[in-house]
Amino acid sequence: SQKIEQNSEALNIQEGKTATLTCNYTNYSPAYLQWYRQDPGRGPVFLLLIRENEKEKRKERLKVTFDTTLKQSLFHITASQPADSATYLCAPYSGGYQKVTFGTGTKLQVIP
Amino acid sequence: DAGITQSPRHKVTETGTPVTLRCHQTENHRYMYWYRQDPGHGLRLIHYSYGVKDTDKGEVSDGYSVSRSKTEDFLLTLESATSSQTSVYFCAISESSGTGRKNEQFFGPGTRLTVL
Repeated sequence: SQKIEQNSEALNIQEGKTATLTCNYTNYSPAYLQWYRQDPGRGPVFLLLIRENEKEKRKERLKVTFDTTLKQSLFHITASQPADSATYLCAPYSGGYQKVTFGTGTKLQVIP
Repeated sequence: DAGITQSPRHKVTETGTPVTLRCHQTENHRYMYWYRQDPGHGLRLIHYSYGVKDTDKGEVSDGYSVSRSKTEDFLLTLESATSSQTSVYFCAISESSGTGRKNEQFFGPGTRLTVL
């Protein structure tokens, strides 16, 4: 069955450093993968989408890579700030009508 | 959360009672979704809609039904609520589907449901 793995342990980093979050998937080949941010008590917010023919995508301080051979996406936040503290969800497309499947997310804590 | 509202935002009910959650959008997006979010499971798709009166099941649809009589409204009904349906429910919308170009999802603020 399709499986998505994100590090369930919280990631704590110092302000100004680069945070790197990992998303691994197994048993399918998604045409694209999305990343979302979720703050406590709120719905997820879309950040970036990367397609299978794209190696890297950037948006301001965010960078996403997509390695279809390793079946892995990495999400980077450069020059991290305390305001970046949130849970980040990856969501590979799993086929059919907009069926993205969400990972359980990684909680990021940026320490001032 | 702009353009998507959910009601109620909080609800406490008893086992065996029917419950209806409402999702309303002002974006005129074709696709609408209901998810539940539980610790350790992440977001799981319950049902989705790809147009008025067109709906289909997601991965955790047992015990839930949906209806969409207008583009802007998508209702989720728990036919007979059980304690296992205690969760946070999110509605989402998207303009496009599949591998389309505008297929990011926009989420509502969520409904916290407690079934005693």
